[in-house]
Amino acid sequence: KNEVEQSPQNLTAQEGEFITINCSYSVGISALHWLQQHPGGGIVSLFMLSSGKKKHGRLIATINIQEKHSSLHITASHPRDSAVYICAVSSGLNTGNQFYFGTGTSLTVIP
Amino acid sequence: KAGVTQTPRYLIKTRGQQVTLSCSPISGHRSVSWYQQTPGQGLQFLFEYFSETQRNKGNFPGRFSGRQFSNSRSEMNVSTLELGDSALYLCASSLYGTGREQYFGPGTRLTVT
Repeated sequence: KNEVEQSPQNLTAQEGEFITINCSYSVGISALHWLQQHPGGGIVSLFMLSSGKKKHGRLIATINIQEKHSSLHITASHPRDSAVYICAVSSGLNTGNQFYFGTGTSLTVIP
Repeated sequence: KAGVTQTPRYLIKTRGQQVTLSCSPISGHRSVSWYQQTPGQGLQFLFEYFSETQRNKGNFPGRFSGRQFSNSRSEMNVSTLELGDSALYLCASSLYGTGREQYFGPGTRLTVT
């Protein structure tokens, strides 16, 4: 049983399209993280959120605590957005707890 | 501020050997977490250290261990390497723990032959 489920696993979009990646989780969390991983391995934290919505440039992340669901939206997608997007949840705050990862969504944006 | 650094970046070891990986966190960060990434299992949490104490551990055998020094630098050790230990090992630092924003290092790619 996976504590974090992501969909879709793979996504191909045309440049300019609006993209949505979904994440559902089954554990109590203190925060949900959206991560981006480019080929070569480096991971960048895009968002950390525990409620509501956050926006950074063309990226928007939302979370619904009651439904245990989060979405990552990319507006006006660009080929440089091609990467693997990973949803992760942390079940503790400062006391140190498990960190659970989704399997990732591989996004390819075609020019 | 300098980012999280990991050394070495690439490593080839033989089955049965042991290996030590190093992670230097962002200055001022007291929490260092370690993760293993494989094609089959994806990303998995290994353990987290905060102020030289292990606060939590993932579901890995005792061959995987770590420690944190007073300057917050951390090392992880894998003893009696198995072929299945081949993976990208990532560390991340944060101010207070995994419930806060994580800053990831570039990873150490370990190949066990």
